[in-house]
Amino acid sequence: KNEVEQSPQNLTAQEGEFITINCSYSVGISALHWLQQHPGGGIVSLFMLSSGKKKHGRLIATINIQEKHSSLHITASHPRDSAVYICAVRSSETSGSRLTFGEGTQLTVNP
Amino acid sequence: GAVVSQHPSRVICKSGTSVKIECRSLDFQATTMFWYRQFPKKSLMLMATSNEGSKATYEQGVEKDKFLINHASLTLSTLTVTSAHPEDSSFYICSARDPLYEQYFGPGTRLTVT
Repeated sequence: KNEVEQSPQNLTAQEGEFITINCSYSVGISALHWLQQHPGGGIVSLFMLSSGKKKHGRLIATINIQEKHSSLHITASHPRDSAVYICAVRSSETSGSRLTFGEGTQLTVNP
Repeated sequence: GAVVSQHPSRVICKSGTSVKIECRSLDFQATTMFWYRQFPKKSLMLMATSNEGSKATYEQGVEKDKFLINHASLTLSTLTVTSAHPEDSSFYICSARDPLYEQYFGPGTRLTVT
């Protein structure tokens, strides 16, 4: 079992739909990152959070430390949101600061 | 937000040659930088952690003599792939961590070894 699991692996939506991507992890963490990777490879850091909720534009990230679960929501989705979304955690149980990555969720938003 | 740049974005080289990839943090000082490798449709694999002014810490299975990492300043780290072979063809991504532990990723470098 991976330390970080994302669901769904693939998601197709129509423009305007509300999107939710989930991330579950099995270790204690000091921080969780949500990343976006577009075709062509560049990675953008969307959020880093350790508790509660953060919002940036149409994106919302929440985390429940007790349940070891985080969600990324996209409101009013748009075709330009099509990308791979990656959840990554920094464990508080090991020394150093390496991130453990989920396998990613491929999101396709159709016009 | 903070910006991390990589250069070059794409490089094609002949087998046996060496290739240097630069990673710069443009608007913050990064005491720690990370180098990742990504295979098609796979997640990022950490290759090494680089601290400014000291030797890089390599992950198990990563050859330090093949993948030379230098972190000479707080804004620049370089990865040199020495004596490149076709199996080194991959997407290499660097990441820099700011003093608040926020981690920012570069746009990546696609290396093709012919």
